[in-house]
Amino acid sequence: TQLLEQSPQFLSIQEGENLTVYCNSSSVFSSLQWYRQEPGEGPVLLVTVVTGGEVKKLKRLTFQFGDARKDSSLHITAAQPGDTGLYLCALIAGYQKVTFGTGTKLQVIP
Amino acid sequence: NAGVTQTPKFRVLKTGQSMTLLCAQDMNHEYMYWYRQDPGMGLRLIHYSVGEGTTAKGEVPDGYNVSRLKKQNFLLGLESAAPSQTSVYFCASSHRGRGSNEQFFGPGTRLTVL
Repeated sequence: TQLLEQSPQFLSIQEGENLTVYCNSSSVFSSLQWYRQEPGEGPVLLVTVVTGGEVKKLKRLTFQFGDARKDSSLHITAAQPGDTGLYLCALIAGYQKVTFGTGTKLQVIP
Repeated sequence: NAGVTQTPKFRVLKTGQSMTLLCAQDMNHEYMYWYRQDPGMGLRLIHYSVGEGTTAKGEVPDGYNVSRLKKQNFLLGLESAAPSQTSVYFCASSHRGRGSNEQFFGPGTRLTVL
């Protein structure tokens, strides 16, 4: 079973600060997704990365896929309270099965 | 469009009781999934379906059964609930063959087994 580990597990920062969260796999994967889950709701897809070394930007969020295709990072610039939530990385196996990481719980304090 | 809906939103069971969770999607998606979410464990796949009338086991299938009699519905059953099944259950669906493989999730069902 391919494992996805995320770090840190918890992160509490002040509004305006920058942060980076990490997702690491025990083996190479073909593509990886990042989801955000707000309290009381289901996860929502933010981005899919498929190419080693790929960088994607979504407003203040920057996603990077490691060259070796075993890790990924999410960097948030000037965090806002609306960024609060659980960030999950996930990889896709056959039949579109998605294996989720353990998650990083982010709290942005106004 | 309502997207993915789940009923009920909350439920409390006693050990040994049975229940069925209903998931419905109105996006004509071929694939549907049931996950459970526990603190520190992320989301774990229980069962999934690639089409009407077909189901398959995921990572943690024991103690659960599923059925997909109609394309838009995916039912998750607990025959004899155990405290270890206390969790938040999420249903999701996705299109076959879409490049992004995006899964659309319902709002979840919070289940407590006493």
